[in-house]
Amino acid sequence: GAVVSQHPSRVICKSGTSVKIECRSLDFQATTMFWYRQFPKQSLMLMATSNEGSKATYEQGVEKDKFLINHASLTLSTLTVTSAHPEDSSFYICSATGKETVNTEAFFGQGTRLTVV
Amino acid sequence: EDQVTQSPEALRLQEGESSSLNCSYTVSGLRGLFWYRQDPGKGPEFLFTLYSAGEEKEKERLKATLTKKESFLHITAPKPEDSATYLCAVQAWDDYKLSFGAGTTVTVRA
Repeated sequence: GAVVSQHPSRVICKSGTSVKIECRSLDFQATTMFWYRQFPKQSLMLMATSNEGSKATYEQGVEKDKFLINHASLTLSTLTVTSAHPEDSSFYICSATGKETVNTEAFFGQGTRLTVV
Repeated sequence: EDQVTQSPEALRLQEGESSSLNCSYTVSGLRGLFWYRQDPGKGPEFLFTLYSAGEEKEKERLKATLTKKESFLHITAPKPEDSATYLCAVQAWDDYKLSFGAGTTVTVRA
């Protein structure tokens, strides 16, 4: 199956700093990427959808100025958590679909555990 | 708004004890229903996509079925390595987003 690589897998940062998370599709062109947030023992909550070359579409309640998403190429999307605070600590997961998989499955990255201290 | 409800929240099984997980959904026109497996601290791993009522798919000890209102994931003679959280998600025709249920955490004891 298609491979999506997410980096880093874990990051600890100080309150007030920014953190960038990368999501790469390794063997297909990801026309659409999704960013999720997952709290312990809860399901995945969609934060935003990004299409290559255009601005991301954010879900209601997600601050676009705090969670900056860039999808500059067909293989890379980034999520930057700006001015992070302890309440931003969570598990962030990306997924990607391409023209070949748009009607089938989305492939997920390994996730990033963010801890803000 | 699309809604997905999974039950039970947790399931403890003895090795070899078959069981089923339920995923009830409401969606404005189903494009596909997805099953994923998620291990602790990892991203979801794709298992199946079902598209229409009556469809069934199998993979090793897992079998997924679909009706117009719900899907079942049957685990036959489970092994400890089947322990994981199983997530169900739906995709509507007018959107490519996935709406996830809260998951069922399965623990299989040897």
